[in-house]
Amino acid sequence: GAGVSQSPSNKVTEKGKDVELRCDPISGHTALYWYRQSLGQGLEFLIYFQGNSAPDKSGLPSDRFSAERTGGSVSTLTIQRTQQEDSAVYLCASSSRPKNYGYTFGSGTRLTVV
Amino acid sequence: QQPVQSPQAVILREGEDAVINCSSSKALYSVHWYRQKHGEAPVFLMILLKGGEQKGHEKISASFNEKKQQSSLYLTASQLSYSGTYFCGTGPNAGNMLTFGGGTRLMVKP
Repeated sequence: GAGVSQSPSNKVTEKGKDVELRCDPISGHTALYWYRQSLGQGLEFLIYFQGNSAPDKSGLPSDRFSAERTGGSVSTLTIQRTQQEDSAVYLCASSSRPKNYGYTFGSGTRLTVV
Repeated sequence: QQPVQSPQAVILREGEDAVINCSSSKALYSVHWYRQKHGEAPVFLMILLKGGEQKGHEKISASFNEKKQQSSLYLTASQLSYSGTYFCGTGPNAGNMLTFGGGTRLMVKP
């Protein structure tokens, strides 16, 4: 597609429920990143996929968070047993050559846990 | 460890200049700069690779001093459209993910 697409754009869930956030990167981009942005804060790294390599999961805050990328394209971020502190905007980004190129971010999913 | 940005916020009048700094405690391979407007996704501005190069696009330019592990973003003759939050992202190695600073809020007033 023309840009990075994320869905849903907004998600309100009850504490303890599981949620899935989807990211569809720019076609041909081999690198895909998930970041989290709390209100008025910077971007917190969560996970990074590069081609067929094992993902870098070093930013995942707990074992309730997981992500997968199928066929080197679409990625799903799953949060199990959501907590109120999980409320944030979850941003996905992709890049064609992470060494020398910038990231293209999606519009994000605003997650609210009530 | 995330890079430190300064200042945290700045207010300008149209036509004034501003400098935003980004400092890291780690050796850097690259520095990215992004601008995020309220309620929108961050937008890529430019990337600087180690070698001390300087880049520019119209009235926005940046420098990268790898020895000092610092980068600066220069906005000259600011326009209303420059308002937003500016983030630097640093990468210690080629091809790795970026670590972002806390952001600098820039407001340009008429």
